[in-house]
Amino acid sequence: LAKTTQPISMDSYEGQEVNITCSHNNIATNDYITWYQQFPSQGPRFIIQGYKTKVTNEVASLFIPADRKSSTLSLPRVSLSDTAVYYCLRGRDDKIIFGKGTRLHILP
Amino acid sequence: GAVVSQHPSRVICKSGTSVKIECRSLDFQATTMFWYRQFPKQSLMLMATSNEGSKATYEQGVEKDKFLINHASLTLSTLTVTSAHPEDSSFYICSARAGGRVYEQFFGPGTRLTVL
Repeated sequence: LAKTTQPISMDSYEGQEVNITCSHNNIATNDYITWYQQFPSQGPRFIIQGYKTKVTNEVASLFIPADRKSSTLSLPRVSLSDTAVYYCLRGRDDKIIFGKGTRLHILP
Repeated sequence: GAVVSQHPSRVICKSGTSVKIECRSLDFQATTMFWYRQFPKQSLMLMATSNEGSKATYEQGVEKDKFLINHASLTLSTLTVTSAHPEDSSFYICSARAGGRVYEQFFGPGTRLTVL
């Protein structure tokens, strides 16, 4: 049973802002929401983590509404190098179970 | 951030041989490391949790006698694929938790195993 639901794929153009939404209807009170990025033939890389409201770092922003049943990863002004698979995860345990992720393809 | 390395980055072996993959945390100690396998165009699949000084915990469907895991120190875990077969060809990735942020792990660069 998937813990999160994300679009399978998305296309966007260079310079655009990209928003990837993740659904996690059964999120538990103690769960955090974490996003990872994976390039082909590389290990995943931590992007951002949040619990509620908005979190921003040098790479992305994470928006989490009050009910926490969904979250949106926002990538500002994407470039070709942002083409990757993005995974949305929920939980607080060490053991990470990856879903299918969103394959983001940035076009020139 | 914390760095995790893997060795080798790629390996080709003959069917029936065993292959060892090393996972090291370079600048931190990791009491727990994780091993994943990823087939082309698919997501990462957790194989096992490696605990320093104790037996690894394997996920359902993963053969512990085929995928031997040893976590002998706080900075090193090894995965040995025994009697490898072509269907074991995959991308193997390890990760380690450095402490600090909840649910944050640092992943190695992966090892591409090809069994002929």
